[in-house]
Amino acid sequence: KNQVEQSPQSLIILEGKNCTLQCNYTVSPFSNLRWYKQDTGRGPVSLTIMTFSENTKSNGRYTATLDADTKQSSLHITASQLSDSASYICVVSFNNNDMRFGAGTRLTVKP
Amino acid sequence: NAGVTQTPKFRVLKTGQSMTLLCAQDMNHEYMYWYRQDPGMGLRLIHYSVGEGTTAKGEVPDGYNVSRLKKQNFLLGLESAAPSQTSVYFCASSLDWTSGGYEQYFGPGTRLTVT
Repeated sequence: KNQVEQSPQSLIILEGKNCTLQCNYTVSPFSNLRWYKQDTGRGPVSLTIMTFSENTKSNGRYTATLDADTKQSSLHITASQLSDSASYICVVSFNNNDMRFGAGTRLTVKP
Repeated sequence: NAGVTQTPKFRVLKTGQSMTLLCAQDMNHEYMYWYRQDPGMGLRLIHYSVGEGTTAKGEVPDGYNVSRLKKQNFLLGLESAAPSQTSVYFCASSLDWTSGGYEQYFGPGTRLTVT
């Protein structure tokens, strides 16, 4: 079954700290993997996209990694800021035209 | 550019009522999508369109209909609303298929409650 699982479901960290979010998937054949940031009451906004041949991609303080062999991805946030409080969603495209969204990790950054 | 806009932002319906959600994009994108987002679940694709005049079913199409009469607009209809359709609905658009690496741009969402 084509699934995308994210962990943890929620996370609370202090401002300035780093954190890592996980995404495991079972979809096949893999096309690409995206990480989105979704602020409360808003639509998701793309952070990074990685194809099969890419194992890391950065966007400012956000760094995504991909291990296509183990079907795992992570999103590392460095020096967190209050504005990083949001849900982070992993999305995997597969089979040319299909996508599966993870349920997201709800990150809260506290001062 | 406004990007992707959705109308209305909020709506409360009684069971059995009908309504239409409007999505508009000004990026000249070919592909448009309707998703629903429920607590604890990932976004699920309801219907999508690969161009003006075309529509196709997604993962959870039952109880919904769509139309794409103009390239910039994608309408989602609920003919007879049910409490199970209480959700947040997101519209998105992309220049081409996301599996080809093309980015999806999402609207701000419509929060629908069916009582």
